[in-house]
Amino acid sequence: NAGVMQNPRHLVRRRGQEARLRCSPVKGHSHVYWYRQLPEEGLKFMVYLQKENIIDESGMPKERFSAEFPKEGPSILRIQQVVRGDSAAYFCASSPNQGTPLHFGNGTRLTVT
Amino acid sequence: DQQVKQNSPSLSVQEGRISILNCDYTNSMFDYFLWYKKYPAEGPTFLISISSIKDKNEDGRFTVFLNKSAKHLSLHIVPSQPGDSAVYFCAASKPEDKVIFGPGTSLSVIP
Repeated sequence: NAGVMQNPRHLVRRRGQEARLRCSPVKGHSHVYWYRQLPEEGLKFMVYLQKENIIDESGMPKERFSAEFPKEGPSILRIQQVVRGDSAAYFCASSPNQGTPLHFGNGTRLTVT
Repeated sequence: DQQVKQNSPSLSVQEGRISILNCDYTNSMFDYFLWYKKYPAEGPTFLISISSIKDKNEDGRFTVFLNKSAKHLSLHIVPSQPGDSAVYFCAASKPEDKVIFGPGTSLSVIP
């Protein structure tokens, strides 16, 4: 009865490289959310997806960031040409439907050197 | 524009006493409110929620109070235990919309 699984737990990238963060939701959950936590800050909403659809990406930076939740496989948050300001903890959450509590993974800590 | 505010970055409470964490929100369309607890290097864990049709919800040592007219909610933990030491996030959502989180309050329960 696994919860939300995120990998890798830690990811180090040099400036200009690509970062790929993966999230497997709780089995049976079709709603996936990505949040970012910058140092000393709260959780900032990035994107909300359902299978094969982006429902709300209002929190995603317009450039370099993209997300997908394919029919099969995990949700992916992709950051191209990373910069130091992208260093943060990225949390994925899932829920069976809206209006129910989100279940969070343990996050991926991205460090850009 | 921060829609969910937690004005106390930190709080210290003696073990056995009551911890009261406060949260204010600005959007009157929010109808669902949640509290999450987070330990270092872990993801947030859901604690308790309340919908806007209620003004109180209780689960064991945790009680959430909602004052819609003041756009204020609070989480009461009684009695507080050292294991409750964590960061507490208040969160809110509108119908069919994403969950917005506050900046968090770090609670320290002193043995």
